[in-house]
Amino acid sequence: DTAVSQTPKYLVTQMGNDKSIKCEQNLGHDTMYWYKQDSKKFLKIMFSYNNKELIINETVPNRFSPKSPDKAHLNLHINSLELGDSAVYFCASSDRAYNQPQHFGDGTRLSIL
Amino acid sequence: LAKTTQPVSMDSYEGQEVNITCSHNNIATNDYITWYQQFPSQGPRFIIQGYKTKVTNEVASLFIPADRKSSTLSLPRVSLSDTAVYYCLVGVLTGTKAAGNKLTFGGGTRVLVKP
Repeated sequence: DTAVSQTPKYLVTQMGNDKSIKCEQNLGHDTMYWYKQDSKKFLKIMFSYNNKELIINETVPNRFSPKSPDKAHLNLHINSLELGDSAVYFCASSDRAYNQPQHFGDGTRLSIL
Repeated sequence: LAKTTQPVSMDSYEGQEVNITCSHNNIATNDYITWYQQFPSQGPRFIIQGYKTKVTNEVASLFIPADRKSSTLSLPRVSLSDTAVYYCLVGVLTGTKAAGNKLTFGGGTRVLVKP
């Protein structure tokens, strides 16, 4: 069974569109994260939720909005997509916050045409 | 904010020990140091975590000097399957929305293990 699963795996779309990436974890973890990995492989945290409360909200455009309907899900919605949004987006989870090891999904590769 | 720096790449041979150093001069008192391994088309995978001195598990050791301004991941006797990108992560995360919540990844070190 996949511990942290993201859908879709690939997403190709045009500038200006709105898209969502879904993430689900079946580990019973309290904390979930979204990261962006750019073409140079730099990993940067975007958001983190602990028990559905937003605890990290890095400086990202407000076109990006996370939604956590419950502890097991953290979705990422992106409005008005731009070329610079092309990247791999990773979802992760950990058992509580407090510096616990994170379990990552396999990423969603977003390509903007 | 801890700026985290790693070498871009390093080569090694099967059976050798690989040591990767991460510099984090501005590490804060409550920050932890965590290392992850990433293979192509996969998410990072946890290797080891520490706060100070030395930590060892079944796959790696982590050395952290007293000033904590750097840390070294040691992979003993690497094999071809250890070829990957290794990231250090520095920061602290509490359970609430606190100003101190920060997680900063280094740029990653691409390790190539040769036969």
